Amino acid sequence: DTGVSQNPRHKITKRGQNVTFRCDPISEHNRLYWYRQTLGQGPEFLTYFQNEAQLEKSRLLSDRFSAERPKGSFSTLEIQRTEQGDSAMYLCASSLRALNTGELFFGEGSRLTVL
Amino acid sequence: DQQVKQNSPSLSVQEGRISILNCDYTNSMFDYFLWYKKYPAEGPTFLISISSIKDKNEDGRFTVFLNKSAKHLSLHIVPSQPGDSAVYFCAASGVRGGSYIPTFGRGTSLIVHP
Repeated sequence: DTGVSQNPRHKITKRGQNVTFRCDPISEHNRLYWYRQTLGQGPEFLTYFQNEAQLEKSRLLSDRFSAERPKGSFSTLEIQRTEQGDSAMYLCASSLRALNTGELFFGEGSRLTVL
Repeated sequence: DQQVKQNSPSLSVQEGRISILNCDYTNSMFDYFLWYKKYPAEGPTFLISISSIKDKNEDGRFTVFLNKSAKHLSLHIVPSQPGDSAVYFCAASGVRGGSYIPTFGRGTSLIVHP
């Protein structure tokens, strides 16, 4: 399978714990995006990388959230001191610069439940 | 404030008929408009897009119409098939940080009855 891969698919944690999600984009894609989707809403943009550089962050990305893409390949999204409001589906997507119209390739998502 | 609005949470149509999904936007600076389709337990998949300088784009059974003066776009599916049953997200792209980053609506759940 050469699509966008996300792990873990499901994570249940207690409030106050830290969680980390991993995204492996399509191998030749140099752009990587993180979105969050809550029930009844569309995907909401969190942050975007071109290669290893984080070029854009949404105001939704509070200080408890940090994203990295250290070698320009896979990316991690860490949430510290989780809150119940963090419960959501976290979606990763990638794209090629040549397709720069907003056409993204999404993974299946990582669902977070904070108890 | 929602920049991309899909006011119909759901739509039900009969197989073979036309499905029309609607979307409104508020930001006139968007350059591209896109539709994504999402099945349960899967990520959204790109369906079709249109540039802001065009008013129609067609791809097989799917046609997107753009009315810039009304800040409105629609997706037509003809003929509708049961396999089209999914959530459809409208999205609009503007440049942020050197990339076109889509802003999504809340989605419309389409059910096509056999």
